[in-house]
Amino acid sequence: DAGITQSPRHKVTETGTPVTLRCHQTENHRYMYWYRQDPGHGLRLIHYSYGVKDTDKGEVSDGYSVSRSKTEDFLLTLESATSSQTSVYFCAISDSDRGLEAFFGQGTRLTVV
Amino acid sequence: QQPVQSPQAVILREGEDAVINCSSSKALYSVHWYRQKHGEAPVFLMILLKGGEQMRHEKISASFNEKKQQSSLYLTASQLSYSGTYFCGTRPDSNYQLIWGAGTKLIIKP
Repeated sequence: DAGITQSPRHKVTETGTPVTLRCHQTENHRYMYWYRQDPGHGLRLIHYSYGVKDTDKGEVSDGYSVSRSKTEDFLLTLESATSSQTSVYFCAISDSDRGLEAFFGQGTRLTVV
Repeated sequence: QQPVQSPQAVILREGEDAVINCSSSKALYSVHWYRQKHGEAPVFLMILLKGGEQMRHEKISASFNEKKQQSSLYLTASQLSYSGTYFCGTRPDSNYQLIWGAGTKLIIKP
């Protein structure tokens, strides 16, 4: 199995609180992605990174920020969680420049109450 | 922009064939195909690169038409284990985004 882990796996938080999700990889892949998955929408890109300290927004980035200070870690922060951010969050890593597949973490189920 | 997948859902009998299509409005660098079962992470099936050959894995194959920015996934003699939701992911030529279609739900009946 590819070395990618997400933490925490489950979290319940209250509206208005900050939340940080962590994605850790041991594959030294260049690209890292954060997605949210909701019924009927598939996987929607929140933010992605193409190198240390190089990040960019995806299609649903409002309310989220990211940081990548090391190759292996990509953090997703919800500055002030809202109920609309209740979702399953997946991290993925890729090195498609070398024709390699993307690997997904096991997902984090976040519930905002 | 999200690639468009079709059909949205397919119901097959075991042993039948299926084709799932994926279309993008952008020039693509690569197309990725994944299968996801309920409550699990997506699992890799196939990657197709610009200028590459048609890929094949056992009874699943895929093609990539670079001129039309379209890819198709072919499932031959489907098995019960093929059930799940299939996603195509696209990486455009112009950036490093990896964006996914809404998925095609495949149900295989005995």
